[in-house]
Amino acid sequence: EAGVAQSPRYKIIEKRQSVAFWCNPISGHATLYWYQQILGQGPKLLIQFQNNGVVDDSQLPKDRFSAERLKGVDSTLKIQPAKLEDSAVYLCASSLAGGDNEQFFGPGTRLTVL
Amino acid sequence: GENVEQHPSTLSVQEGDSAVIKCTYSDSASNYFPWYKQELGKRPQLIIDIRSNVGEKKDQRIAVTLNKTAKHFSLHITETQPEDSAVYFCAASEGPDAGGTSYGKLTFGQGTILTVHP
Repeated sequence: EAGVAQSPRYKIIEKRQSVAFWCNPISGHATLYWYQQILGQGPKLLIQFQNNGVVDDSQLPKDRFSAERLKGVDSTLKIQPAKLEDSAVYLCASSLAGGDNEQFFGPGTRLTVL
Repeated sequence: GENVEQHPSTLSVQEGDSAVIKCTYSDSASNYFPWYKQELGKRPQLIIDIRSNVGEKKDQRIAVTLNKTAKHFSLHITETQPEDSAVYFCAASEGPDAGGTSYGKLTFGQGTILTVHP
């Protein structure tokens, strides 16, 4: 089966610019996650969708980050405006459902903010 | 919220030796504990997981043990090989909410860089 797809793979922007990332989960997976992975750290959950509804966004910096999952399939994560500390790899993952179902990760988008 | 501590941060072993990575968690309601392997520049991939109703699980050279009373769990790799070299992350899933629904929110440890020398 096809895995989780993400684009772009790399992005370099200047601070205060905007950027958007796209994720296409594995077909049939109801749950979609966006993680931020700063170099040398474990992934940190930013937002979790169940179908097209948000079930957890407690660690999403809502003053600058937004995410949506229209029609319960693809998702976009946006940063506006970007800060230097947003430099990280943004990982999208999906699972059949929440709970203890395996999460499958995409290849990630490496963001560099100059 | 959940807090996961992982040790050691780096681990160097000779090929054929065993490697052990330990994690502790804070939320006694956590009920699912996966381990992910991440090679340089690649995505994290699940290598083994354990649920709270099981004390130990083994898959070939990899095993995981869980002590719910002490709130810690460990990854054991035997007969290590150079291709085992990677960063390993433990994670704990948040327990169910007041309504009994478990959404599977994972909190990851800081990672262990494992190097296996030939």
